[in-house]
Amino acid sequence: EVQLVQSGAEVKKPGESLKISCRGSGYRFSSYWIGWVRQMPGRGLEWMGIIYPGDSDARYSPAFQGQVTFSVDTSITTAYLQWSSLKASDSARYYCARSGGTWLIDSWGQGTLVTVSS
Amino acid sequence: QVVLTQSPSASASLGASVKLTCTLDSGHSTYAIAWHQLQPERGPRYLMNLDSDGSHTKGAGIPDRFSGSSSGAERYLIISSLQSEDEADYYCQTWGTGTVFGGGTKLTVL
Repeated sequence: EVQLVQSGAEVKKPGESLKISCRGSGYRFSSYWIGWVRQMPGRGLEWMGIIYPGDSDARYSPAFQGQVTFSVDTSITTAYLQWSSLKASDSARYYCARSGGTWLIDSWGQGTLVTVSS
Repeated sequence: QVVLTQSPSASASLGASVKLTCTLDSGHSTYAIAWHQLQPERGPRYLMNLDSDGSHTKGAGIPDRFSGSSSGAERYLIISSLQSEDEADYYCQTWGTGTVFGGGTKLTVL
């Protein structure tokens, strides 16, 4: 069974750094893209970008380029989403999602709630 | 860039059927899409891939009540025998230079 398990909720202050994780299991981790999706309170889904664990090829949505960093550790089949300096506007729920070659999502993580508040 | 258009809301009665629509822009009318369900307080769930010819592949464990069809640039999600747990937000998704989501349809089960 394909599973994506995300790290738990985080509460941070503005300016702090954060790295959340998404562990894949039940499939060949290096052969599928892992995308990241943001959902702000009361809003729809926003695609942040995607990374291919096989070679760490990362593509960022223009809206998120320079704001976040994707990475992977294939030895523990885990993808990461990282911020170097959080803003209050980063408060949202973040989902990881698996995609094949067409980037159509076929599996989701359960989500990580990030709250940034002073 | 690909644009997906969904109605913001839909409603149907318990036990009835509902058809949700996702419309591709004219320049990308042959694209396949995926349908996803977001239930309150639960993570998203992948429902199915849906091709332009109406063929679809459902995710593991998705009930037979969920099906898909296509007509031109429109992609449909049909839910029959509506249950209370079907009340959720439904998103269509495709890809262009990046992944694209529709705005979502909030389904209310009356």
